[in-house]
Amino acid sequence: SAVISQKPSRDICQRGTSLTIQCQVDSQVTMMFWYRQQPGQSLTLIATANQGSEATYESGFVIDKFPISRPNLTFSTLTVSNMSPEDSSIYLCSVEDGRGGNTEAFFGQGTRLTVV
Amino acid sequence: QKEVEQDPGPLSVPEGAIVSLNCTYSNSAFQYFMWYRQYSRKGPELLMYTYSSGNKEDGRFTAQVDKSSKYISLFIRDSQPSDSATYLCAMRSYSGNTPLVFGKGTRLSVIA
Repeated sequence: SAVISQKPSRDICQRGTSLTIQCQVDSQVTMMFWYRQQPGQSLTLIATANQGSEATYESGFVIDKFPISRPNLTFSTLTVSNMSPEDSSIYLCSVEDGRGGNTEAFFGQGTRLTVV
Repeated sequence: QKEVEQDPGPLSVPEGAIVSLNCTYSNSAFQYFMWYRQYSRKGPELLMYTYSSGNKEDGRFTAQVDKSSKYISLFIRDSQPSDSATYLCAMRSYSGNTPLVFGKGTRLSVIA
């Protein structure tokens, strides 16, 4: 299993500002994932953070709005840029343990973001 | 039509009841099915994982998959107040390297 530390756990931010969320894993992992969880909605994958290369973004998400860093195999950051109230959501970091046919996804505790 | 449909509830049951949570899906390529439990202000944690049609049991939890109907279920027996959480179904086409697709989650409250 993987233990994921994510911070901050919550924040209230002014519109137009940016927030960087950090994700630290207790073991080396190839891929880390960033999700958004809006009230009443599914977890939505924002992007896959690849070590040594640019992140891969899902449809509807762009690098200018959600820049991601992945400096090593245990750490990643997600920045929510030029925030608006529509960005208020829970942001989750995830890693996957792909041993054999059982690929389990582990999640951090999430960052609850409120934009005012 | 969304790929994965899940009734968001909320669902409220008395302690000791049998709970049935369900998801339907449209993508016949989905092969791996999971149920996650998410407590308030916490990240999701894996409860059950299965990749074949039929039932899989783990303690008070049973995961059921019917690929012909594109329908999965999670049953909780002898439900406890500590089971109160949001339950999310998730699925993917292949093991690893393809994104998980989640349902919206069903909020469950078990009343003592």
